[in-house]
Amino acid sequence: NAGVTQTPKFRVLKTGQSMTLLCAQDMNHEYMYWYRQDPGMGLRLIHYSVGEGTTAKGEVPDGYNVSRLKKQNFLLGLESAAPSQTSVYFCASSRGQGAYEQYFGPGTRLTVT
Amino acid sequence: GQQVMQIPQYQHVQEGEDFTTYCNSSTTLSNIQWYKQRPGGHPVFLIQLVKSGEVKKQKRLTFQFGEAKKNSSLHITATQTTDVGTYFCAGPRKGSSNTGKLIFGQGTTLQVKP
Repeated sequence: NAGVTQTPKFRVLKTGQSMTLLCAQDMNHEYMYWYRQDPGMGLRLIHYSVGEGTTAKGEVPDGYNVSRLKKQNFLLGLESAAPSQTSVYFCASSRGQGAYEQYFGPGTRLTVT
Repeated sequence: GQQVMQIPQYQHVQEGEDFTTYCNSSTTLSNIQWYKQRPGGHPVFLIQLVKSGEVKKQKRLTFQFGEAKKNSSLHITATQTTDVGTYFCAGPRKGSSNTGKLIFGQGTTLQVKP
């Protein structure tokens, strides 16, 4: 099992450009999450999904959109990138059904200039 | 709002010394989890504590959940260079039983001098 994978690993964008980050998990997990990690801020939840076809906002959703068309994939989109979105983005999944243990992907380091 | 705080933010120790990080929640938690993130890596689940006063050990790591289920600690005995990284505690967000959402502490970064 690959666990949770993320693509790309690194990306540099210019302000105003758009991009999509892909997260895939092969553990048949119900719940998936997108976080951003900034120095001194810990992990902040952007959006999450509790099942195929469902998404919901987390703590810091502005400027991001998500989709979960297939159970194993969770996409994070930036429509018009801003320098404030420079961060490391982690995807995570959990089994659901009362389980809280989360499995994280390797992360995407995004720089917006 | 709900908060989870960790102290200290940074700790430098000499290899062989002990290390402790503390986690305090503004609300009672049904469980608490600990994660480790190596430099340049991603958070990796270490353990979950559920019961009031629970103590669990993993080799040189000892985890405790407070009696009131509002605080927790991670103690590492005789640190090694492989212990370097950031340790996060996390607890369920209020009203998250059907979403699995966690609130993370800001983490304690451990540096170990060989």
